[in-house]
Amino acid sequence: AQTVTQSQPEMSVQEAETVTLSCTYDTSESDYYLFWYKQPPSRQMILVIRQEAYKQQNATENRFSVNFQKAAKSFSLKISDSQLGDAAMYFCAFNFGNEKLTFGTGTRLTIIP
Amino acid sequence: ETGVTQTPRHLVMGMTNKKSLKCEQHLGHNAMYWYKQSAKKPLELMFVYNFKEQTENNSVPSRFSPECPNSSHLFLHLHTLQPEDSALYLCASSQEPGHPFAVELFFGEGSRLTVL
Repeated sequence: AQTVTQSQPEMSVQEAETVTLSCTYDTSESDYYLFWYKQPPSRQMILVIRQEAYKQQNATENRFSVNFQKAAKSFSLKISDSQLGDAAMYFCAFNFGNEKLTFGTGTRLTIIP
Repeated sequence: ETGVTQTPRHLVMGMTNKKSLKCEQHLGHNAMYWYKQSAKKPLELMFVYNFKEQTENNSVPSRFSPECPNSSHLFLHLHTLQPEDSALYLCASSQEPGHPFAVELFFGEGSRLTVL
């Protein structure tokens, strides 16, 4: 079975500090896409960052970067210089080669002013 | 116009009511999805429509009935629901559902459903 696990239901970070959200997965596939989605209190989920499994270089989008460890099946999200607007639920998700995304249970991130 | 619009934002219904959720996307996408979001659970994919044709029904009870009249509109008809169906229902769209390994979803804000 293909599963996604986010072991941190809640995280908090001081404003301007760095925080890392964890995600692990299990699959027998070798090629897939990985995503981090953000769901702010307004509820509209938006894509934060995307990583192709065949690429060794970790994806980066401004203050957001991933640490992709394929052998360990780990896909963590690092947020640098945290801002109040980063407060949200964060979901990691995977596309294992079909039209469906498999999501984790999410991590609620709180930013402490 | 926002990319994906859902109405209503909130809905309270009794178990014998019939109601519908509506989703409209203005992104020119070919695929639309219904997801159920419950607390402390992963998002559950319910239905997928690709070019108006249903391509996925993830063992959803028949009290949920989807309708996709065209690639821009998606409905979820609700009938004889149970209290455990209370959740946030999210609509999403994507450009190329069959494109391998590259699904990126664009979500609406969701419809919060409460079944009494």
